[in-house]
This record gives sequence, C-alpha cells and structure tokens, in this order.
Amino acid sequence: SQQGEEDPQALSIQEGENATMNCSYKTSINNLQWYRQNSGRGLVHLILIRSNEREKHSGRLRVTLDTSKKSSSLLITASRAADTASYFCAPFGNEKLTFGTGTRLTIIP
Amino acid sequence: NAGVTQTPKFQVLKTGQSMTLQCAQDMNHEYMSWYRQDPGMGLRLIHYSVGAGITDQGEVPNGYNVSRSTTEDFPLRLLSAAPSQTSVYFCASRLSGSYNSPLHFGNGTRLTVT
Repeated sequence: SQQGEEDPQALSIQEGENATMNCSYKTSINNLQWYRQNSGRGLVHLILIRSNEREKHSGRLRVTLDTSKKSSSLLITASRAADTASYFCAPFGNEKLTFGTGTRLTIIP
Repeated sequence: NAGVTQTPKFQVLKTGQSMTLQCAQDMNHEYMSWYRQDPGMGLRLIHYSVGAGITDQGEVPNGYNVSRSTTEDFPLRLLSAAPSQTSVYFCASRLSGSYNSPLHFGNGTRLTVT
C-alpha cells in the first residue's frame, strides 16, 4: 500500500511553539504531499516535495524527505490558533493518492 | 473560480434507497476521484477517473458506481444505500499530466443512512 502513516496521532502545543509531525510510507514515490483539514471542510494542499529533494520551505512550513528511510516530517514554526487542524501526508507513486488517519494538531492559546 | 463543488452538503437516506452525489470542477482537470472519510479510518479512495470515459476502482469500490461523460462532472451513485455507507464523501481533482499537481478537494457531502 502506498498509504502514509502519520505520527503522532494527536499533538497539543502552546501558541508560538513549533509543531513537528512525521510520516512513514512503504513504497517508492515520485513525490510526497502534505495536506491540512480544518474541521468539517475538505483537505487543502500545503506543500509538495519531490523524491529528489531533501528539504523544502513554504512560509512557516518546513518539510523534509528521507527516501532511504521512507519518511518525511512537517515542521510548523511559530504556531497560531488558526493552525489547529488535522494534517495528512500523501506519498504519491502512481495515479492514486491515498491518505492515512492524520495528525490532529491543537494549538492552545 | 469555484474549484470543486459538491452537492448536496447533507443527505439522509433510508436503507435501500438510491441517490447520486454530484461533483463538478471548473479547472479543466483530467483526474477526478471520490473518497470517503470515517472516524479512525482516514480517507479511503472509492473510485477515480483519469479522463472522460475512463474510470477505475480504488480501495473501497463496492456499493458505488461512477461514470465520467464530461471532463467537468464525476457523479457517485449509491444504488442501494446501506448503514455502512454512512460517511463523509469528498470529491477531488487535479491535472493528470503531471505527477507534481496537487489535489483540490470539495467541502464534502455528509451522508447518513438509517
């Protein structure tokens, strides 16, 4: 299965702190994507890292990819209340994009 | 730009009834897909399509039919609803020609089967 597994399942931090969540997968990939889901809404694409990249930044987001360990991490710096959401990784190797159960991030004001 | 539009937002069905969940996108995306999201299960792929006239099964296709007669629309049909199909359904689309094209999601249809 190409599905990613996010860890931890849930994470609570104080506003202003950094949040790190991890993703592991099992097959070879072309890229790995991270998505956010606010309660009751559809998923929103955050960032994509290609298989030949090791690190990528977008605003307060930093993504790393280690294809030898089949793992990725998403770091959100200087967290805000609006970052409260579920975060999903999606390893992509063919036409299908599958998702795990996500990391539920709660930012405490 | 409306993006991906799903209708209805909410639906209650009785066991055995049929219905069609609508999905439309205005981004000229070749690839469209349907997911269901259940607590503790993540998102599971039901069916997908890489272009008009082409559909294929995902992880959990049983009990669902799809067709793709136009680029814009990708309806999901439940022929005989069952309580196990109570879920939130999401439609998503992307460009098909590039592996690096992200998925765009609709805001979901919340279906309850009693």
